[in-house]
Amino acid sequence: QVELQQSGPGLVTPSQTLSLTCAISGDSVSSNSAAWNWIRQSPSRGLEWLGRTYYRSKWIRDYAGSVKSRIIINPDTSKNQFSLQLMSVTPEDTAVYYCVRGQIGDRRYFDYWVQGTLVTVSS
Amino acid sequence: DIQMTQSPSSLSASVGDRVTITCRASQSINSYLNWYQQKPGKAPNLLIYAASTLQSGVPSRFSGGGSGTDFTLTISSLQPEDFATYYCQQSYSSPLTFGGGTKVEIK
Repeated sequence: QVELQQSGPGLVTPSQTLSLTCAISGDSVSSNSAAWNWIRQSPSRGLEWLGRTYYRSKWIRDYAGSVKSRIIINPDTSKNQFSLQLMSVTPEDTAVYYCVRGQIGDRRYFDYWVQGTLVTVSS
Repeated sequence: DIQMTQSPSSLSASVGDRVTITCRASQSINSYLNWYQQKPGKAPNLLIYAASTLQSGVPSRFSGGGSGTDFTLTISSLQPEDFATYYCQQSYSSPLTFGGGTKVEIK
């Protein structure tokens, strides 16, 4: 059974960096069939996929255009986890953030979601 | 980016009703279409993937259809636990995108 455990602050100051970590159990961040995603949800933007990382002979990072200039998603194989850094945040980045496992290949879907963390951007 | 449009955005229905939700993609996505159910305060939960394949553990009253640009999610006989918001999502190409959601409410 796959479990994801997300950690990070619930309040971030405008212009600073939002940082979240997702610890994986029951699977490997280096899995050949999975990708590790960050998705957020807000009333104004709905469900928004931010990006993912996965391993295919090398590490691949794939980001949404809306955040591409200020996002980094990194795997950490030593701790079997992955992280999100979103720089230069504004109140528009206030949302519930989810770390999510995605199946890739012939079958592509999001099958394991963390409960989610509300991150508020405010001074 | 591929835009996903769901309709209706909300609907009211009674227990036992047959309910159909539609999802349209802005370009062909073959059958790379997934459906999720979300209840208040919870993360979305996968119901159907590849347009019509039921995820393990999902009741058979849920079914999906379509290919190309037009897709449907049908609940054959609405149950009390089915009142929720439903989202479609395309997995054909990056960036992965979601529909705006359909809220199913009790009539």
